[in-house]
Amino acid sequence: DAGVTQSPTHLIKTRGQQVTLRCSPKSGHDTVSWYQQALGQGPQFIFQYYEEEERQRGNFPDRFSGHQFPNYSSELNVNALLLGDSALYLCASSFGGGREDTQYFGPGTRLTVL
Amino acid sequence: ILNVEQSPQSLHVQEGDSTNFTCSFPSSNFYALHWYRWETAKSPEALFVMTLNGDEKKKGRISATLNTKEGYSYLYIKGSQPEDSATYLCALLFGNEKLTFGTGTRLTIIP
Repeated sequence: DAGVTQSPTHLIKTRGQQVTLRCSPKSGHDTVSWYQQALGQGPQFIFQYYEEEERQRGNFPDRFSGHQFPNYSSELNVNALLLGDSALYLCASSFGGGREDTQYFGPGTRLTVL
Repeated sequence: ILNVEQSPQSLHVQEGDSTNFTCSFPSSNFYALHWYRWETAKSPEALFVMTLNGDEKKKGRISATLNTKEGYSYLYIKGSQPEDSATYLCALLFGNEKLTFGTGTRLTIIP
């Protein structure tokens, strides 16, 4: 059973560009959450998708958007990249989002903005 | 903004010794507390999900306790081994289903 997978592993972009990161959830999971981890910080919640809709959102600007597909995979899009968007982006999947449900994380995509 | 604090930030422990570290939080108004272990270049791995005051969970040499009244959780590692070297993250799950993470405790086991 493949766990949560993310692509690409690493990415280098320049300021002002746009980027799309991809996530495939663990088999049987229907909920995908995205987190940003900047250097020296804990992961920060960006948003969560369930049934192809954004269910919750953290304190991130509208430049950050996402999508969930019928097969539950998800994309994170960031427009007009800033230097401060350089971070590790983690995707986590779960089923139903119940309070005792564990979120399973992927290995992350390292984004560098130059 | 809720601050989830973890201490210490980093820790060096001799192989075979036992150790513990802390996750503290100002509010008990959350659904669950999660502990994760994150080894370099790997995915964060879920260790425990704790929901009730007084909860104790154990997985091999690792255990955790939760005290919601005083606002802390302890993670204990008994007889540390090199493979325990990792960053340990705690996170609180709120009703809006987002995890709020601490900054982690970086544990290094010295052989």
